[in-house]
Order: sequence, then C-alpha cells, then structure tokens
Amino acid sequence: EVHLVESGGHLVQPGGSLRLSCAASGFTFSSYWMYWVRQAPGKGLVWVSHINSDGSRATYADSVKGRFTISRDNAKNTLHLQMNSLRDEDTALYYCARRDCSGGSCYVDHWGQGTLVTVSS
Amino acid sequence: QSVLTQPPSVSGAPGQRVTISCTGNSSNIGAGYGVHWYQQLPGTAPKLLIFVNTNRPSGVPDRFSGSKSGTSASLAISGLQAEDEADYYCQSYDSSLSAYVFGIGTKVTVL
Repeated sequence: EVHLVESGGHLVQPGGSLRLSCAASGFTFSSYWMYWVRQAPGKGLVWVSHINSDGSRATYADSVKGRFTISRDNAKNTLHLQMNSLRDEDTALYYCARRDCSGGSCYVDHWGQGTLVTVSS
Repeated sequence: QSVLTQPPSVSGAPGQRVTISCTGNSSNIGAGYGVHWYQQLPGTAPKLLIFVNTNRPSGVPDRFSGSKSGTSASLAISGLQAEDEADYYCQSYDSSLSAYVFGIGTKVTVL
C-alpha cells in the first residue's frame, strides 16, 4: 500500500525558512515524479512544485519560484521542500503527492495527509 | 481566481443526480489536456475520483462519472448519498502558464 507521510510543518516568522519532508513507502519511489500541493485554510488546492523521477528536473509555481526548492533522495525514499523567505500567504497545509500519467495526461493518484505551515509574527 | 471555473456549490436530495461543471479555455482543457477530479471529505486529504476525463480508479463507485467536451468537463454523481458530502476539485494542465491547475472547488451538500 502506498504511504506518503509529511513532516516539518511549523510556525515560522515572515522571512524565515522551513524544510518539509515526505517519507514514501509501498512503491518504487525512484520511478515516480512527485508533487507538492498546498491548501490555504478554507481555500482550494494549489500546485506548488514537482520533480522528475531522478531529481534532475524541477518546476515551480510562479508564486514560489526563487524561494522554494524541491529535491528528493531516492536512496532514502524521501521528498523535500526547502522553503525560504516565507510570506504570510504561504500559510497552508502542504501535501506530498505521487504523480501518475495515462495517455499523456498526468494526475495525482496518491496524497499524503499534509503538514501545516503557519507563517506569522 | 483559477483558470478552471467551477460552481462554488451544488446540492441535491438523497438519490438524486447532481453535476459539477469545470470550464477552462484553449490553453488547458480545450488544448486536449486531460481533466481529473478529486474528492475531499471534510478534514481529510483529497482522493482521486476520476482520471483522464472518464476513468475511475479501482474502488470508486460507478455512481461517479466524468465527461469532457470542448473547453469543459463535468463530474456527475448519481444516486446521491450522505457520504458524498465533500468538496470536489477538477484539475488539468495549462500550457500558457506551464503549470498544473485546479478549479476552485465545488462543495456538494446532500439535503
């Protein structure tokens, strides 16, 4: 069974940094692209970033580009999100998610339970 | 504001059929990118409901069905049940934004 367990969420001051982690199990982690998706309190889902299976390519939403860095350690089956220069609007539940594709269209087939990041002074 | 437009809410009595629309444009749904649907029960993580327009993952009841036409897609729930009360999100890819995009979500209420 696929399991994705996020950790690292915390209360942090504006301008601060945080590193989120996601421990993956139950599947061949190194074969899948992975996403981070966030959800602000009471709001909808927003794609943040994704990384390809070997970690050589990453893509970011404009709202986090230059501040966030996604990475992965395939030997440890772990996904990370380094978050710098945090802003109030980064406050959200951050989900780790596994990507699957069919016929050229890609979607999230498994989600973690999320880790809460609160940016506030 | 999302590039994929969904109604904020829909409601129906138990047993009824409800539909949720997801309207995009020529850079996303209209460009041929697949539309996917997720169900988020209160206080839980989202769950994949429909992938690539019409496909149900194993375990999803056949009461849920998806369709796509032109720049829009729809999710239909037939035989509405109390357990279907949740938020539903559509998702696709937008080539002009080079980003995966979600709709704002639709809250389904069972009367």
